[in-house]
Amino acid sequence: SQTIHQWPATLVQPVGSPLSLECTVEGTSNPNLYWYRQAAGRGLQLLFYSVGIGQISSEVPQNLSASRPQDRQFILSSKKLLLSDSGFYLCAWSVTRDTQYFGPGTRLTVL
Amino acid sequence: SQQGEEDPQALSIQEGENATMNCSYKTSINNLQWYRQNSGRGLVHLILIRSNEREKHSGRLRVTLDTSKKSSSLLITASRAADTASYFCAPMIYNQGGKLIFGQGTELSVKP
Repeated sequence: SQTIHQWPATLVQPVGSPLSLECTVEGTSNPNLYWYRQAAGRGLQLLFYSVGIGQISSEVPQNLSASRPQDRQFILSSKKLLLSDSGFYLCAWSVTRDTQYFGPGTRLTVL
Repeated sequence: SQQGEEDPQALSIQEGENATMNCSYKTSINNLQWYRQNSGRGLVHLILIRSNEREKHSGRLRVTLDTSKKSSSLLITASRAADTASYFCAPMIYNQGGKLIFGQGTELSVKP
């Protein structure tokens, strides 16, 4: 069966520090991969999606970037965090254009 | 836009009652999906209804879709305290790369 992992589960970082969040999927090949951010009490905002290795589409201009170095690995990065980068980051995968399966999320607090 | 907008934003009911949540969107879609999110957790897919379907059932869940009104509803029958969560609808358009654009969600509270 397929599983999706995200780490770390929680992270507290100072403003201006770098960021690297990792997402990996097991049990499937060539998945579509997605990064979402959810601010407190708000809906989800799609940040990036990828349909293959090295193929990244950005949805929102921001302080973040994404990379897909391997088929089932999706990384969210920042060179310098801002206070506004705080939130709950969710990775998701799909193999069709339909259902997406979400990871457990990473709670990021930027101080 | 493709984004779904849920209504109401918050709903509080007693255990055993039915809960109805609504979703509206603005463009033609290929399908519409409902997801649940327990506090501090990832989203869980509940049900998908395609544009050529009008109603779909899954256990205590009933989803309707009215493409002429660009709206959908999610009914949870005989609610339980464990149904307490946020519920999101997500319309999908295939030619947009399978992206789901979520609304703000409905926060459901089921009191025992």
